[in-house]
Amino acid sequence: DTAVSQTPKYLVTQMGNDKSIKCEQNLGHDTMYWYKQDSKKFLKIMFSYNNKELIINETVPNRFSPKSPDKAHLNLHINSLELGDSAVYFCASSLGQGRGNTEAFFGQGTRLTVV
Amino acid sequence: GESVGLHLPTLSVQEGDNSIINCAYSNSASDYFIWYKQESGKGPQFIIDIRSNMDKRQGQRVTVLLNKTVKHLSLQIAATQPGDSAVYFCAENSGGYQKVTFGTGTKLQVIP
Repeated sequence: DTAVSQTPKYLVTQMGNDKSIKCEQNLGHDTMYWYKQDSKKFLKIMFSYNNKELIINETVPNRFSPKSPDKAHLNLHINSLELGDSAVYFCASSLGQGRGNTEAFFGQGTRLTVV
Repeated sequence: GESVGLHLPTLSVQEGDNSIINCAYSNSASDYFIWYKQESGKGPQFIIDIRSNMDKRQGQRVTVLLNKTVKHLSLQIAATQPGDSAVYFCAENSGGYQKVTFGTGTKLQVIP
């Protein structure tokens, strides 16, 4: 009965590979996000979608491509993986736009290790 | 650039004592703040929020204080318990598109 679920939980892959992380939320939220957390626990937003529409695209290499087939899903595809991509990636969702709807629910995270 | 930051990276507190976690922000346009708790191996979890038209907000065992004059935010946890051990983040939202900027985090260690 997980609210925000992402798979896989762990991902170890070689440099240069292409990989995807999937995220699904069953909360009926309109907005979904991808965050990257580095080894120092710093959390930085990467993308935000509202009703399948991209609304936030931070300074992220274009090797990262989010895809939202419907408002309950937001997947992250990464091409040509680099060592610096190693991090924990969190998917999150919130009710919608506006400060009253900002409370975000996070998934458990995907620990990506590029070797 | 604008940033949200924390004064103390690690805070050790005796069980039963009160904890105070501080956060400084520099974006003067920030008008909504959130505290998150992240336990080991888990995603951040919402604790409490506060709008800039408030100075104080209380929840269950937690209180958030906002001082807009000095751009400072704090989270107070009463009667700290071992289950409170986690990394705490303050976060700021100044935009209408749900862009939340997280601070650097403070690790709270509760000593039994």
